[in-house]
Amino acid sequence: RKEVEQDPGPFNVPEGATVAFNCTYSNSASQSFFWYRQDCRKEPKLLMSVYSSGNEDGRFTAQLNRASQYISLLIRDSKLSDSATYLCVVNSGNTPLVFGKGTRLSVIA
Amino acid sequence: DAGVTQSPTHLIKTRGQHVTLRCSPISGHKSVSWYQQVLGQGPQFIFQYYEKEERGRGNFPDRFSARQFPNYSSELNVNALLLGDSALYLCASSRAGALGNQPQHFGDGTRLSIL
Repeated sequence: RKEVEQDPGPFNVPEGATVAFNCTYSNSASQSFFWYRQDCRKEPKLLMSVYSSGNEDGRFTAQLNRASQYISLLIRDSKLSDSATYLCVVNSGNTPLVFGKGTRLSVIA
Repeated sequence: DAGVTQSPTHLIKTRGQHVTLRCSPISGHKSVSWYQQVLGQGPQFIFQYYEKEERGRGNFPDRFSARQFPNYSSELNVNALLLGDSALYLCASSRAGALGNQPQHFGDGTRLSIL
């Protein structure tokens, strides 16, 4: 089983839609969780950290479920500019970040 | 402030050659990590350096090596290049040495193509 698994998509959604991505991780000792966004042929950029209590940043909401070992990202009111690959990232203390393969989102006008 | 800078942006090499990629971290950041991203995959960890010492190494062959300089910049060296080394090589910096418990700031990457 891969350390971090994501549905590769693509998710094709119309503007204004709400879309959610899930990511599962295998290491129960994982401590830090992040969502990164990567545009085509660009570097990954931190979208948001994921906290145990869940956190929201504008249209974006991230949640962590430790019991089921998954994290989620919810995007409300999708914009064309949200089209990108969303990378789930997990860390287990003093170990390197482990990236999922990414989920591709296309927001369509 | 400048972000993480990498050079060159693109590079074409042939099998068997060697390559050196360079990275300058964000000012004040002492940790540099290197990742390899093959098309369709997420970045895979290669090395982390902090205060000029190797702090972590991913599952890559000995053909891959790196170092960090007193000014915290870093080089990634790859010898005896293989076709499978074609990838985007990303450098990321962070303030502290603890691997992974804080977000990484990535450079634009070096796109390496092996012919």
